[in-house]
Amino acid sequence: NAGVTQTPKFQVLKTGQSMTLQCAQDMNHNSMYWYRQDPGMGLRLIYYSASEGTTDKGEVPNGYNVSRLNKREFSLRLESAAPSQTSVYFCASSFNARGLRDGNTIYFGEGSWLTVV
Amino acid sequence: AQSVTQLGSHVSVSEGALVLLRCNYSSSVPPYLFWYVQYPNQGLQLLLKYTSAATLVKGINGFEAEFKKSETSFHLTKPSAHMSDAAEYFCAVSETGANSKLTFGKGITLSVRP
Repeated sequence: NAGVTQTPKFQVLKTGQSMTLQCAQDMNHNSMYWYRQDPGMGLRLIYYSASEGTTDKGEVPNGYNVSRLNKREFSLRLESAAPSQTSVYFCASSFNARGLRDGNTIYFGEGSWLTVV
Repeated sequence: AQSVTQLGSHVSVSEGALVLLRCNYSSSVPPYLFWYVQYPNQGLQLLLKYTSAATLVKGINGFEAEFKKSETSFHLTKPSAHMSDAAEYFCAVSETGANSKLTFGKGITLSVRP
């Protein structure tokens, strides 16, 4: 009963390095999301994918790229990490992005703690 | 544009006391509203949601929330706090149209004193 799985759970990067956060869901969901969580800021949407083959910017997309590899997988890439990208990253998924109706609950992964030094 | 306001960042109650966490929303259309809970070092878990059915919504762990359109509020309550309720709580809003996404409040940390 995996749900949404993210890797890695912890990562330390040097400024300027690149890395990719991986996310996979096994619930046959259409939509997937990447959020970042910072103290006192709540969760902010970075990118989302309403369906396989589509991606769109969220509230804070600068410095990130995403790939919807297939229906199950949605990766987040930091091309040149900066200290401002130190955060906790959450991947999430839902059955359908069209209004999050009854039954379309959004499910979150356990989070990835990223530190950029 | 939609938004959520959670006043204050920290609430402390005694075990057995009433829990009240406030959430006010702003939306140009009737929204869907959610409360999520986050325990330390874990992801977010859905507590309850309002999707235009009954205005009083019951969730897991004895929590409930009431949608009040006139006050644009969706406050979370629990009659009697338990030590295990200590966590961070997020209110979130979504419009009901196509491709709607969740917008989160900044979160409230609930502490429960013995």
